[in-house]
Amino acid sequence: DIQMTQSPSTLSASVGDRVTITCRASQSVTNCLAWYQQKPGKAPKLLIYKASTLESGVPSRFSGSGSGTEFTLTISSLQPDDSATYYCQQYRRYWTFGQGTKVEVK
Amino acid sequence: EVQLVESGGGLIQPGGSLRISCAASGLDVSNNYMTWVRQAPGKGLEWVSIIFAAGTTFYSDSVKGRFTISRDNSENTLYLQMNTLRAEDTAVYYCGRGLGGATCCHFDSWGQGTVVTVSS
Repeated sequence: DIQMTQSPSTLSASVGDRVTITCRASQSVTNCLAWYQQKPGKAPKLLIYKASTLESGVPSRFSGSGSGTEFTLTISSLQPDDSATYYCQQYRRYWTFGQGTKVEVK
Repeated sequence: EVQLVESGGGLIQPGGSLRISCAASGLDVSNNYMTWVRQAPGKGLEWVSIIFAAGTTFYSDSVKGRFTISRDNSENTLYLQMNTLRAEDTAVYYCGRGLGGATCCHFDSWGQGTVVTVSS
């Protein structure tokens, strides 16, 4: 099974800050990597797929990069509405989510 | 516009069975990858099962042999039959639509979830 490990588990940053979340896979997933945002009591929302393709309607301050085993989600200028938990997901071999990164906006 | 609406969740005793549903509009469940993902209270997302358009199914190790994914094309509805339920199956269950080319899938549309609680 492919394990996905996110870091950090939580982060706190101010409005306007640049924020980066890392996701590492236990083996190569090529570019079969998606990122989701989830707010409390809500369903996940797709942000990025194929490691770096922005889903339609998602603000351009979100971007993804990486391939193989190491990936990053970057929020270029953090906004109050970005307070949420973020998950990576691999779909190279079956489907696995990371454990999540909770982002708090100060 | 794609809409997915889950139903059928509830309180069930350990060892019991439950079938949850996901009614779809704006897409044909028969022509899409359709999945179930769950989230235990206070925990992260866990993929549970998927059915391909061709009918191929896959399950996580934690539910294999106990859960069955299926669909009713005439009702445009996805199902998850859950047998021999355990306390650790307690979660919000989300259905979703998968998209992919050569490799399936990321999940672009989700329902609001249905709560399954396994407890005596």
